[in-house]
Amino acid sequence: DQQVKQNSPSLSVQEGRISILNCDYTNSMFDYFLWYKKYPAEGPTFLISISSIKDKNEDGRFTVFLNKSAKHLSLHIVPSQPGDSAVYFCAASANYGGSQGNLIFGKGTKLSVKP
Amino acid sequence: DSGVTQTPKHLITATGQRVTLRCSPRSGDLSVYWYQQSLDQGLQFLIHYYNGEERAKGNILERFSAQQFPDLHSELNLSSLELGDSALYFCASSATDRAFNYGYTFGSGTRLTVV
Repeated sequence: DQQVKQNSPSLSVQEGRISILNCDYTNSMFDYFLWYKKYPAEGPTFLISISSIKDKNEDGRFTVFLNKSAKHLSLHIVPSQPGDSAVYFCAASANYGGSQGNLIFGKGTKLSVKP
Repeated sequence: DSGVTQTPKHLITATGQRVTLRCSPRSGDLSVYWYQQSLDQGLQFLIHYYNGEERAKGNILERFSAQQFPDLHSELNLSSLELGDSALYFCASSATDRAFNYGYTFGSGTRLTVV
């Protein structure tokens, strides 16, 4: 049973427009949510995170929104650039019990930004 | 360069064989995590070590084992290999035993192909 779901395998946007990547989760005990970006032949790299006690976190062109009641988060990239083309993974952490310290990842969304 | 070193980068082996994947964490990091990424799958958590001790196990098969040595490098041993074990295996490290808002640092992965 997937605890972190990214229902869109791919997304294509025009350069300069907004990219919105979505993620849903099922476990209300998650305390941090993170986004990673992955280019081919490289490992995932940390992009931005949000604590479960907040509803928004912004870092430059990247903003993550958290809606706890809906168990949903989204990553907004504005404006999108061709270099943003990559696979984006949503991840969640539950720092309790046997899951302490582990990140649970979604399957990823492949973003293509067209010039 | 993320600071997390994984060797080898590529590995091709036959079914039934045994292989060892190696990971050197980023300097100062005490935690090592192993993840498997199969085709069309997200990053599946395998196992977590902190300062030489096993902290958590995820979806790790009994044919797989891991350890973290006193110098903090880690090895993932895969035995009786099957075609379905073909995947990207990522190692990640972090300073503590918990995944806070800064997540982990990933290596570039080992691509295992079982033929």
